[in-house]
Amino acid sequence: KQEVTQIPAALSVPEGENLVLNCSFTDSAIYNLQWFRQDPGKGLTSLLLIQSSQREQTSGRLNASLDKSSGRSTLYIAASQPGDSATYLCAVTRTGANSKLTFGKGITLSVRP
Amino acid sequence: DGGITQSPKYLFRKEGQNVTLSCEQNLNHDAMYWYRQDPGQGLRLIYYSQIVNDFQKGDIAEGYSVSREKKESFPLTVTSAQKNPTAFYLCAVRDRGTEAFFGQGTRLTVV
Repeated sequence: KQEVTQIPAALSVPEGENLVLNCSFTDSAIYNLQWFRQDPGKGLTSLLLIQSSQREQTSGRLNASLDKSSGRSTLYIAASQPGDSATYLCAVTRTGANSKLTFGKGITLSVRP
Repeated sequence: DGGITQSPKYLFRKEGQNVTLSCEQNLNHDAMYWYRQDPGQGLRLIYYSQIVNDFQKGDIAEGYSVSREKKESFPLTVTSAQKNPTAFYLCAVRDRGTEAFFGQGTRLTVV
């Protein structure tokens, strides 16, 4: 059974800091990995999708990497801002394009002005 | 998000009552999913459907039922057999292994 872990559960950083959020998974036979952002009381917003054949994806100040062999992904946020404060979740899809997504519990990020 | 509409935003259920949560999409995507989110538990899969007229149980299907009669719609019924239904319910859609997109959620409370 695929298990996804995100540690720590919460993180507080000063504005302007570069930071890395970690995601680990137990079964390396994945189809893709996706990072999401969730604001309180809201749905999930997709940030980045990495296919199993890719090593990284970039969007603006965000960069996500994938190392299937070690079962790890990282989300790098450059020059953090208070508006980045949210919960960040990663989800993996096992083999099968439309099979289920398995989520980590998320990392709640607070960026202090 | 975008072409995914969940309704209602808030729902109150009395003990012993069945309630239905709506999820509609206009993205023409094949796969649709229902997740439940509880504080400290993360998202857990209830049911998913990869094509019309077909669906599979997820990890916590007991006390829930779904149907997929149309590509655009995947309603979730919370039955009286679900003993602890208070939670935030999220619907997602995806097409051929691409990005998954989520609706804005329905918060269900037992009164």
